[in-house]
Amino acid sequence: DSGVTQTPKHLITATGQRVTLRCSPRSGDLSVYWYQQSLDQGLQFLIQYYNGEERAKGNILERFSAQQFPDLHSELNLSSLELGDSALYFCASSARLAGGTGELFFGEGSRLTVL
Amino acid sequence: AQSVTQLDSQVPVFEEAPVELRCNYSSSVSVYLFWYVQYPNQGLQLLLKYLSGSTLVKGINGFEAEFNKSQTSFHLRKPSVHISDTAEYFCAVSLGGGGSNYKLTFGKGTLLTVNP
Repeated sequence: DSGVTQTPKHLITATGQRVTLRCSPRSGDLSVYWYQQSLDQGLQFLIQYYNGEERAKGNILERFSAQQFPDLHSELNLSSLELGDSALYFCASSARLAGGTGELFFGEGSRLTVL
Repeated sequence: AQSVTQLDSQVPVFEEAPVELRCNYSSSVSVYLFWYVQYPNQGLQLLLKYLSGSTLVKGINGFEAEFNKSQTSFHLRKPSVHISDTAEYFCAVSLGGGGSNYKLTFGKGTLLTVNP
């Protein structure tokens, strides 16, 4: 158990809909990362938050947004969903921003299926 | 920007055989290197990491990896695999030096299948 909790574990929805994925980082971790894993693209970095602020952005679509709340949990919002958004979405956390070693602790993922 | 190439998408081996999973990276600056493992229906967990110092790094479950700067490689090895090692293995790189906005860049993964 990594200590990172993601909900829901599975989600099935239709094209055009909007969903919210939730992540609770390990106790004490300030950084949260979102990754998308699909068969064709592999693991793609989406976005990183540190203590409530956006710190780095990767291949995140404009239809996607995220935020980190004062209690450090994070939500990833996916809107106007398309079939190609079907993927496993991982949240990860780490303890430190500057001076960190890059070790991330991953949740078990939220599997999104868009029909 | 850094990138990672895992040279084999699938590696089938027999139980108790040795295995090497290959990883090459490219970066114009110093990097930290990682191997993560993903068991079926689970998240990723860290196997081992290279930050600095000795180029031979030992990790969990009997795995080790060697950092080779001249060949920009970080291959993962295990002398004798077990059925339970069947999983997907990801090589990853982040910028070294503890920069403030580091992120992990992952390779596409290597599926290791250990057969009896």
